[in-house]
Amino acid sequence: DVKVTQSSRYLVKRTGEKVFLECVQDMDHENMFWYRQDPGLGLRLIYFSYDVKMKEKGDIPEGYSVSREKKERFSLILESASTNQTSMYLCASSSSGTNLNNQPQHFGDGTRLSIL
Amino acid sequence: AQSVTQLGSHVSVSEGALVLLRCNYSSSVPPYLFWYVQYPNQGLQLLLKYTTGATLVKGINGFEAEFKKSETSFHLTKPSAHMSDAAEYFCAVIRSGGYQKVTFGTGTKLQVIP
Repeated sequence: DVKVTQSSRYLVKRTGEKVFLECVQDMDHENMFWYRQDPGLGLRLIYFSYDVKMKEKGDIPEGYSVSREKKERFSLILESASTNQTSMYLCASSSSGTNLNNQPQHFGDGTRLSIL
Repeated sequence: AQSVTQLGSHVSVSEGALVLLRCNYSSSVPPYLFWYVQYPNQGLQLLLKYTTGATLVKGINGFEAEFKKSETSFHLTKPSAHMSDAAEYFCAVIRSGGYQKVTFGTGTKLQVIP
């Protein structure tokens, strides 16, 4: 089974802090994603990566950056945390396979981040 | 642009009753559609997917969904609800343009009443 591990389940930080969320997958997947999940809004894509050192902006990249130095690890960085970034953050990975659109995404259990 | 709409943010059913969770999609190209489930304090996991071929798709835990092009729908059903089905369910569609970007619906929370 694919395992996607997020480093923290719960995290509390203060406004203005630089925050790092880490995600590791063990299936040699090419693609990795960061989402935030808010009640009534579903999941919104922040950033994704389709290869090492490659990254693409998602729908809500403002205030965030990412890093993918190794294939198995994808980090989300909040440059200067603000209270409106309090949310559940979900990491996912997927294979490209022979048909990219046919591949499901595999999710970690999430990090619930509170910014005070 | 591809999108999905889930009707009903909360659905309650009695244990043993039919589960029906609604999803309508918008797509100018043949869609790739997914249903995911999220149990409390967990990430999402795949229930089933529609790519091409058979329009009735069977998934895990007794769930199935039918792709109806004429109705632009991909509703999720289960004949008999179990207490363990209580969770939040998300419909999703692959966007065009590559990179496997996905648009998720806003989710439907299923409550199962004993």
